[in-house]
Amino acid sequence: NAGVTQTPKFQVLKTGQSMTLQCAQDMNHEYMSWYRQDPGMGLRLIHYSVGAGITDQGEVPNGYNVSRSTTEDFPLRLLSAAPSQTSVYFCASSFRDRGQDTQYFGPGTRLTVL
Amino acid sequence: DAKTTQPTSMDCAEGRAANLPCNHSTISGNEYVYWYRQIHSQGPQYIIHGLKNNETNEMASLIITEDRKSSTLILPHATLRDTAVYYCIVRSTPFNFNKFYFGSGTKLNVKP
Repeated sequence: NAGVTQTPKFQVLKTGQSMTLQCAQDMNHEYMSWYRQDPGMGLRLIHYSVGAGITDQGEVPNGYNVSRSTTEDFPLRLLSAAPSQTSVYFCASSFRDRGQDTQYFGPGTRLTVL
Repeated sequence: DAKTTQPTSMDCAEGRAANLPCNHSTISGNEYVYWYRQIHSQGPQYIIHGLKNNETNEMASLIITEDRKSSTLILPHATLRDTAVYYCIVRSTPFNFNKFYFGSGTKLNVKP
């Protein structure tokens, strides 16, 4: 299994541009989520999904959209990039087992907005 | 979910045991203790989790106090590759995404 994959690894955008960060998992996990990590900080939840067709907002959803049309894919869209969105973005997947789930993270996408 | 308190950084000599403490004094009965680590620039990696009993796997041991208000992650023979930020997280059952706080963690420096 490849686990959780993210593309691209690095991206530079200009203010106002839009783009989609891709995330895919091949473990048939129900749950997927997006986090951002600013320098020296912990992870903050952007959006999450508990199954295909079901998404919800996390702690910092503004400026981002998500959709979950398949179990495998969970893309994150930046609508109009701003310098405040410069960060490292991590996607994670997990499944529930006896009420608990362990999250598996992708390698991250490093985004710079100029 | 209960918040956690961890030291900002710790040093450990290579080959020695690394003991990373975590306080979670407001933990409730249905909350598990999870440990993840993040090696520089990589995605977080799951290490171990437990409810009340001590747990051990191929990576580490987790010791939870009887009152469950604190825990210790033990890396029995630390190597240079164990240098990372270690996160202690308390999570409820059933899991709530919006109450899953990663915090700032402990930076473990393993020195030769």
